[in-house]
Amino acid sequence: AQTVTQSQPEMSVQEAETVTLSCTYDTSENNYYLFWYKQPPSRQMILVIRQEAYKQQNATENRFSVNFQKAAKSFSLKISDSQLGDTAMYFCAFMKRDLSGNTPLVFGKGTRLSVIA
Amino acid sequence: NAGVTQTPKFQVLKTGQSMTLQCAQDMNHNSMYWYRQDPGMGLRLIYYSASEGTTDKGEVPNGYNVSRLNKREFSLRLESAAPSQTSVYFCASRTDRAQGQPQHFGDGTRLSIL
Repeated sequence: AQTVTQSQPEMSVQEAETVTLSCTYDTSENNYYLFWYKQPPSRQMILVIRQEAYKQQNATENRFSVNFQKAAKSFSLKISDSQLGDTAMYFCAFMKRDLSGNTPLVFGKGTRLSVIA
Repeated sequence: NAGVTQTPKFQVLKTGQSMTLQCAQDMNHNSMYWYRQDPGMGLRLIYYSASEGTTDKGEVPNGYNVSRLNKREFSLRLESAAPSQTSVYFCASRTDRAQGQPQHFGDGTRLSIL
């Protein structure tokens, strides 16, 4: 079974600064996908970024980027130029690749990020 | 474009009452999921459905039943609610036409059992 660990329950960052959220995972699979989801106080689950394990290049989406280290089973999220609207709970999630295409996500417990003005 | 719609958004039940949470998606997705979110626990999978007519247990299925009524709808039923089932419930769906596509989530149902 896969597990996802987010070791930082809470973090804070000053507006306009950069912050990195940690995520490690445990799996025996070689092909899989990793995701970061953002959950603001509105409770919506919003996809931030997606990484394919067979791609070495780190995914980026505007101010959000990841540092994917497959051998170390690490998948950290970097938020640059933090904005007040980035205040949210962030979840790291793992999904193994299989032919059915319907495998569920396995989530970490989340990191609550507060951006301070 | 509605995406994934959950009803109701809030509900308070008494211990022992029954309740069905509704979920519908309009994206023609085959796969649908039910998760619960508890403080400090992240999201945990209750049940999922790969296609109409099929369902599978997840990590925390006890006390719940599900029905995949058709391709659009996937309901979650609590037959005899218990305080331990107080939680926020999320429904999600995903296409299986391509590998590794993200799940799309509804806005959640906050359920309190007294």
